[in-house]
Amino acid sequence: NAGVTQTPKFRILKIGQSMTLQCTQDMNHNYMYWYRQDPGMGLKLIYYSVGAGITDKGEVPNGYNVSRSTTEDFPLRLELAAPSQTSVYFCASSSGLAADYEQYFGPGTRLTVT
Amino acid sequence: AQKITQTQPGMFVQEKEAVTLDCTYDTSDPSYGLFWYKQPSSGEMIFLIYQGSYDQQNATEGRYSLNFQKARKSANLVISASQLGDSAMYFCAMREGGTGNQFYFGTGTSLTVIP
Repeated sequence: NAGVTQTPKFRILKIGQSMTLQCTQDMNHNYMYWYRQDPGMGLKLIYYSVGAGITDKGEVPNGYNVSRSTTEDFPLRLELAAPSQTSVYFCASSSGLAADYEQYFGPGTRLTVT
Repeated sequence: AQKITQTQPGMFVQEKEAVTLDCTYDTSDPSYGLFWYKQPSSGEMIFLIYQGSYDQQNATEGRYSLNFQKARKSANLVISASQLGDSAMYFCAMREGGTGNQFYFGTGTSLTVIP
C-alpha cells in the first residue's frame, strides 16, 4: 500500500496562474480532506469529501475548488493564484467509521506564489 | 472563538520524564472526536491518539495517554518516559460530528526533549 500520495512535492506559481494539486489514496477510504498549513500554524481544512461525487467546504475554501469523481482521487484546483495561497498543502483520508477516524496524511505539497 | 486552543507554544522535558501538553476545545456538538498528531521536522503528520466524546475512559496508546476532562473541555496529551525522538510539533485536533466532518486543528506545541 502506498497510502496517500500527493504530487507535486514543490511548486512555484506566478500570481494569477492556476494549478491542480493531485491526491490519490489506495486504502479504499471514503473520506478525503485537503488542508493548508501556513508557517508556524496548525492545519486549516479547505474542502472535504465523504465519498465519490460528494464534496463540502471546510473552514477556508475561498480560492479553491475540488472534485471527487472516484474513491481514489481528490484533486485540489487553485484558480488565479495569490500570494496568500503560499502554504504547505496536505491531503488526508480516513475510513470514516465511528471508531476509526484516524486520518492518514500525504507528505504535503509546498506551494509558493510570487 | 477558537475551536482548539493550545496555550503552550514551546515545552522542554528531560529525557525519561513525563510531559503534559495542554489542549482545550470549544463545541456545542454532543458528538465529537479529539485527536493528537505529531509533526516531526521532516513535516509528515503522524496520528498518535483518539478520544471520542462518549468514551468513558481516557484513551491510551503505548506511552501516550489522553487526559479527557469533558466538563472542562480539555484533552491534554501525556507522554510518559520521553525519548529524544519525541522532539516535534504536537497538534490537538477536533472533529465535529453531525452531518459534516469539520476538522479543526490547534496552533501546536513544540516539544524539545533534553538529553
